Amino acid sequence: AQTVTQSQPEMSVQEAETVTLSCTYDTSESNYYLFWYKQPPSRQMILVIRQEAYKQQNATENRFSVNFQKAAKSFSLKISDSQLGDTAMYFCAFMKYSGAGSYQLTFGKGTKLSVIP
Amino acid sequence: DTGVSQDPRHKITKRGQNVTFRCDPISEHNRLYWYRQTLGQGPEFLTYFQNEAQLEKSRLLSDRFSAERPKGSFSTLEIQRTEQGDSAMYLCASSLAGGPPEQYFGPGTRLTVT
Repeated sequence: AQTVTQSQPEMSVQEAETVTLSCTYDTSESNYYLFWYKQPPSRQMILVIRQEAYKQQNATENRFSVNFQKAAKSFSLKISDSQLGDTAMYFCAFMKYSGAGSYQLTFGKGTKLSVIP
Repeated sequence: DTGVSQDPRHKITKRGQNVTFRCDPISEHNRLYWYRQTLGQGPEFLTYFQNEAQLEKSRLLSDRFSAERPKGSFSTLEIQRTEQGDSAMYLCASSLAGGPPEQYFGPGTRLTVT
């Protein structure tokens, strides 16, 4: 079974600054996907970014980028130029690429990010 | 293109009652997933459908839980004889088989069992 660990329950960042959220995972799979999802207060879960394990290049989406270290099983999210609208719970999630149990997302417990004006 | 919708958004019920939730996925998505999220935790997988077939069920899905997707479009999740431990947010998500792997989530149904 896969496990996802987010060791930072809460973080805060000043508006316009950069923040990095940590995520580690444990799996015996070699092919998989990793995701960061954002859940704003009282709003639905939104995909932030996706990384395929077979890709060495780190994914980037505008102000969001990841640092994927496959050997270390680490998948951190960097948010640049933080905005007030980035305030949310951030969940790291794992998905097997194929076989039994694939298509299921395994989530970490989340990191609550507050952007301070 | 409308997103995933769920109904009701909130449900308060007394212990022992049955409740049913509905999920309407994104229209072209043939995979549909149910998750449960308790306070302070990430969502946990319950079950998923491809078209009308229920292909996987978590051990979290006890005998009191049943999910259906009769025509491969909307899905229902029923909880019989609710218990206080069933209080949680029930999330539905959908995706397209053969498409990008990411799942798109609905707003959830918050269940409170008193």
